[in-house]
Amino acid sequence: GENVEQHPSTLSVQEGDSAVIKCTYSDSASNYFPWYKQELGKRPQLIIDIRSNVGEKKDQRIAVTLNKTAKHFSLHITETQPEDSAVYFCAAVYGGATNKLIFGTGTLLAVQP
Amino acid sequence: DTGVSQNPRHKITKRGQNVTFRCDPISEHNRLYWYRQTLGQGPEFLTYFQNEAQLEKSRLLSDRFSAERPKGSFSTLEIQRTEQGDSAMYLCASSPAIGNEQYFGPGTRLTVT
Repeated sequence: GENVEQHPSTLSVQEGDSAVIKCTYSDSASNYFPWYKQELGKRPQLIIDIRSNVGEKKDQRIAVTLNKTAKHFSLHITETQPEDSAVYFCAAVYGGATNKLIFGTGTLLAVQP
Repeated sequence: DTGVSQNPRHKITKRGQNVTFRCDPISEHNRLYWYRQTLGQGPEFLTYFQNEAQLEKSRLLSDRFSAERPKGSFSTLEIQRTEQGDSAMYLCASSPAIGNEQYFGPGTRLTVT
């Protein structure tokens, strides 16, 4: 079925430390995996994405890795800052031409100054 | 602002009333999605339009829900005979014809009393 699992549900780190959030998906046909950041009361904001033909993608302090065999993908944030505090959602595309997103349950990241 | 816009931002209604929300996608994005988000959860897919054609509806979309995109530009989502369980954030996202990226609007927060 259509399912994305996300761990951990909450994550607290000290400023400057790294944070890692992990997701697994169920449909081997999924080929696109975005990550969204959502601050309280705000819209989900696309921060990085990866396609299934790539194993890793990096954009400044954030990176995403994908293991297609294991159906795992992860978000890595280095040198965390207080403004990184938010809820992060992973997602996977399902449904062929529809490209609908199935989201994980979110990770509340708190960066302690 | 060239991003996705939604109106109204907040709606409080009494149980049994009908409500209608509007979404204006990014110009020239022919793909439009509606999602619903409840507190502490990721967005859940409701329905998808490609241009003016509604190509997929989730099982979450009961017969009290209807969506339209009459000219392939803005879209409306109507909920008839609202129930307390309809209280949620209703998010709209748009995507270009080529590419998987979905960009979200600020959402309409519905409270049914």
